[in-house]
Amino acid sequence: AQTVTQSQPEMSVQEAETVTLSCTYDTSENNYYLFWYKQPPSRQMILVIRQEAYKQQNATENRFSVNFQKAAKSFSLKISDSQLGDTAMYFCAFGTSYDKVIFGPGTSLSVIP
Amino acid sequence: GAVVSQHPSWVICKSGTSVKIECRSLDFQATTMFWYRQFPKQSLMLMATSNEGSKATYEQGVEKDKFLINHASLTLSTLTVTSAHPEDSSFYICSAGSSGLSYNEQFFGPGTRLTVL
Repeated sequence: AQTVTQSQPEMSVQEAETVTLSCTYDTSENNYYLFWYKQPPSRQMILVIRQEAYKQQNATENRFSVNFQKAAKSFSLKISDSQLGDTAMYFCAFGTSYDKVIFGPGTSLSVIP
Repeated sequence: GAVVSQHPSWVICKSGTSVKIECRSLDFQATTMFWYRQFPKQSLMLMATSNEGSKATYEQGVEKDKFLINHASLTLSTLTVTSAHPEDSSFYICSAGSSGLSYNEQFFGPGTRLTVL
């Protein structure tokens, strides 16, 4: 069975600084997808970034980038130039094609002005 | 991106009554819909997966007779909480996916807060 672990329940960062959220996962699959979702106080789930396991290049989306280490089963999220609107719960998630997605326990990120 | 709606956004009901929550994909055909439950400050827990026209697949520990899921069309899935009790109070989120996508991205609804008195 697949599992997703996020070892940082809470984190804080100063506005405009950079922060990295950690995520590790366990799977015997070779083809899969990894995601970072953001859940702000509104509780609407928002996809931040995704990574296909077969791609070696790390995904980037504007201020968000990942460090995908397939052998280590690690998938961290780096947020650059943190903004107040980045304050949210962040969930790391794992999925295979057209199948359910498994979420980690989440990291609560606070951006401090 | 694709839009998924949920109705109602919140509901309060008396213990013993049934509550139906609707999940609609507004601008795409959702071949698969997922129902999650989220307690305060916790992660999303998958309750069941439903494919259009077939019975839902429930996760271990989820009572299928209590949480009835119907996915009658490619744009609508419903979750009915039968004989609701206070411990069923939670935030329920649906998501929808499509086999037409090249990856299994799920599009999430805004959630429904259920309070059982």
